[in-house]
Amino acid sequence: AQKVTQAQTEISVVEKEDVTLDCVYETRDTTYYLFWYKQPPSGELVFLIRRNSFDEQNEISGRYSWNFQKSTSSFNFTITASQVVDSAVYFCALSEARRGRDDKIIFGKGTRLHILP
Amino acid sequence: DGGITQSPKYLFRKEGQNVTLSCEQNLNHDAMYWYRQDPGQGLRLIYYSQIVNDFQKGDIAEGYSVSREKKESFPLTVTSAQKNPTAFYLCASSISTSTPDTQYFGPGTRLTVL
Repeated sequence: AQKVTQAQTEISVVEKEDVTLDCVYETRDTTYYLFWYKQPPSGELVFLIRRNSFDEQNEISGRYSWNFQKSTSSFNFTITASQVVDSAVYFCALSEARRGRDDKIIFGKGTRLHILP
Repeated sequence: DGGITQSPKYLFRKEGQNVTLSCEQNLNHDAMYWYRQDPGQGLRLIYYSQIVNDFQKGDIAEGYSVSREKKESFPLTVTSAQKNPTAFYLCASSISTSTPDTQYFGPGTRLTVL
């Protein structure tokens, strides 16, 4: 069965510090997709990244970076030089890619990130 | 501008009343989804639809109903059978479900049952 665990319920850091959000997943499939979404106080989920299981390259987008390690079933998200606007709830999610089956995304419970000025 | 709209943003209803939440998308996406979010929780799938006139139950479909008469629209009805309907409801869409496509979300509707 699919499962996504975000062990950090809430994190607070001072602005300009780096912060890493952890995500550990479980799946029996060899082909799957991982996602990160941001939910600011307004409520809408904003897509950040999608990564398939065959691509273990780390990705960097501005201040955001993602570390995908299949050996530890982790897909961690790092914000460098955090800003107050980064304050939000961040969700990690997993979707298996099985031929002939409807794909569904399983979400972790989220990590609430507070960036203190 | 392409996107997903949900209305209303806030909805108050008396206990025992049915209520319908609107979700419209102009992204030409085939698949649409409804999720429920409770405080401190992740998203739980209520219903999803891959094509017009077809939909499937998600993990928590009891007490909810949907329709998909048009590609652009996927309204969710919260019925009186739903025991605890107060929650934040999010609608999403994706190009298709033939592969795990990225889901894009609307702004949500916060439903409070008094």
